[in-house]
Amino acid sequence: EDQVTQSPEALRLQEGESSSLNCSYTVSGLRGLFWYRQDPGKGPEFLFTLYSAGEEKEKERLKATLTKKESFLHITAPKPEDSATYLCAVQADDYKLSFGAGTTVTVRA
Amino acid sequence: DTAVSQTPKYLVTQMGNDKSIKCEQNLGHDTMYWYKQDSKKFLKIMFSYNNKELIINETVPNRFSPKSPDKAHLNLHINSLELGDSAVYFCASSQVGGGRKGSKNIQYFGAGTRLSVL
Repeated sequence: EDQVTQSPEALRLQEGESSSLNCSYTVSGLRGLFWYRQDPGKGPEFLFTLYSAGEEKEKERLKATLTKKESFLHITAPKPEDSATYLCAVQADDYKLSFGAGTTVTVRA
Repeated sequence: DTAVSQTPKYLVTQMGNDKSIKCEQNLGHDTMYWYKQDSKKFLKIMFSYNNKELIINETVPNRFSPKSPDKAHLNLHINSLELGDSAVYFCASSQVGGGRKGSKNIQYFGAGTRLSVL
């Protein structure tokens, strides 16, 4: 069975303090690794898809990287509006996404 | 325009009742999904339909029955509600399923329906 483990569970940052979130996975036949952002009371919002080890994607202060066993979401110089829960998910040989439990990021001004 | 919309947003009901949650997507996608997010925040797939055909049916009690009248709609009907059914239910859609690489397998989620069973 596909397994996705995210760490840490929670991360409290000062505005401007860069950090990284980890997503380690076990999957047979990775089709894609997905990062989503979820705000309280809302649905997950798509951020990135990564397909191959070594691939990187960037969007504003966020950068996602992928190896054969894990993915990192780097947050550079975060702002309070980056506070959210960040979800990692893997897609194997079928339609479904298997999600991790998420990392809740709080950025203080 | 909301891409994936669910109704209602909140649903409070008594044990034993039957309830439905509706989902509609205006993205022209072929595949729709239902996920359950429990109190520990794990999102877990329940069902998936591709062009009105059921393609994923995880180990879900048969009190849960999805219905897809057309490829833009996927409704979830729940019979004989139990306390353990309390959760947030999310609908999602993607252009194609099957794990194909490329932007077409990105899943877009609705805002969720918070179900509370008393």
